[in-house]
Order: sequence, then C-alpha cells, then structure tokens
Amino acid sequence: EAEVAQSPRYKITEKSQAVAFWCDPISGHATLYWYRQILGQGPELLVQFQDESVVDDSQLPKDRFSAERLKGVDSTLKIQPAELGDSAMYLCASSSMGYRELVDTQYFGPGTRLTVL
Amino acid sequence: QQPVQSPQAVILREGEDAVINCSSSKALYSVHWYRQKHGEAPVFLMILLKGGEQKGHEKISASFNEKKQQSSLYLTASQLSYSGTYFCGTEKASNTGKLIFGQGTTLQVKP
Repeated sequence: EAEVAQSPRYKITEKSQAVAFWCDPISGHATLYWYRQILGQGPELLVQFQDESVVDDSQLPKDRFSAERLKGVDSTLKIQPAELGDSAMYLCASSSMGYRELVDTQYFGPGTRLTVL
Repeated sequence: QQPVQSPQAVILREGEDAVINCSSSKALYSVHWYRQKHGEAPVFLMILLKGGEQKGHEKISASFNEKKQQSSLYLTASQLSYSGTYFCGTEKASNTGKLIFGQGTTLQVKP
C-alpha cells in the first residue's frame, strides 16, 4: 500500500540553528500539505501545494519558515532559525483529488518529531 | 473557527459504545474524521459531506447534521484497537481541501 514518506523521523536541534524536513507524497498525488501538531492538539495547516504552486500559506510564519515543491513531487519544509516554540510534530499529507474536485481525502505521513533545545 | 470536540476524553470497557461530537460555528462543506495513536500519523476514517448522510466503517459510523453544523462519530462494541485520539477536520462551505482540526478526543478502551 502506497504511503507518504517523511524524513527524518526525529530531529533534535539547538535554537537558532536551521532544520529541514522532507516529504515524498503518494505517487500521483497532486496536492501536498504541511501541518504542525503541538502535543495534545490537532494538526494545524502550515502550507498547501497544488503541484508546484502554493495554494495557501496564510498560517506559515514566513519570517522563519519556508516550503518548496520545485518539481511538483516531493517537498521540503525549512525553519531558520529554529526557536524553542517550534518543538512539535511536523506532518505531511497528500491527496489525489485535483483542486475543485468534489472531496479531498488527505493521507498523512509518519511525521518528524522536532525538539528544539 | 476551530471546531469543538466533546467529550475531551472517554474511557470504555471492551464492547461498550461511545459517541464523539464535533461542532462548528461556521457553515461546513465537509467533515473528516481521523484516529491517531500515540507517536503515529493520523489515519483516515471517513468523510461526511453536507446533506446529513451517515457513513459506516466496520463498527464505526458517523453522521453530519448540516443544520446544526455538527458531526458525530459512533463507535459500537468498542475494541482495544479503537484506543487513540480522534480528530475531526472541518472544511468550510467550498471545496478547498483546507481542514481545520479540533483539539481531539482521547479514547481509551480497557479489557
């Protein structure tokens, strides 16, 4: 069964350092999402891609966070510099439905657990 | 805008039933339900589109009351494997794919 891949699974870094997370969606999925999940809370959308274009990044802290999906397949989320409050699980999800289709089922990857010291 | 889930937590014995509610103050296009076990990715359960339909997935079913902007998840004859945190994700009244998740309901099923 196809799955969303993410790496690394765990990352420990010191504040002010740069970190990057990678996501490979299910093959053929045009839409890709990055979420942040703080312990004990639901996932919060950071950025949504349709192919290589950003559809929504209204919740992305653009002063330190950046995301790209250059060829419309895999994607990278970067934080520079990392802050203590960035400690969270970063989840990637993908969906097969094109934009403006009837409904959009999102499938999540295993996530990257980030700890900022 | 975040939907409100209730209860926050529930403890059951195997074979007992549970209902988890998800309420929104905004008009909704769809409600998505996920289950997440500790340290793992959320796993998709089902989607409800506006129209008051009810769906089933094994012994787990859900309904969506468009007038109340509320969805309910029904777990029947619970099994140990049902333990985890259940999240509803709501989508506004237009298909954007953008989900806003509730704070989650933690379900613990005991033998």
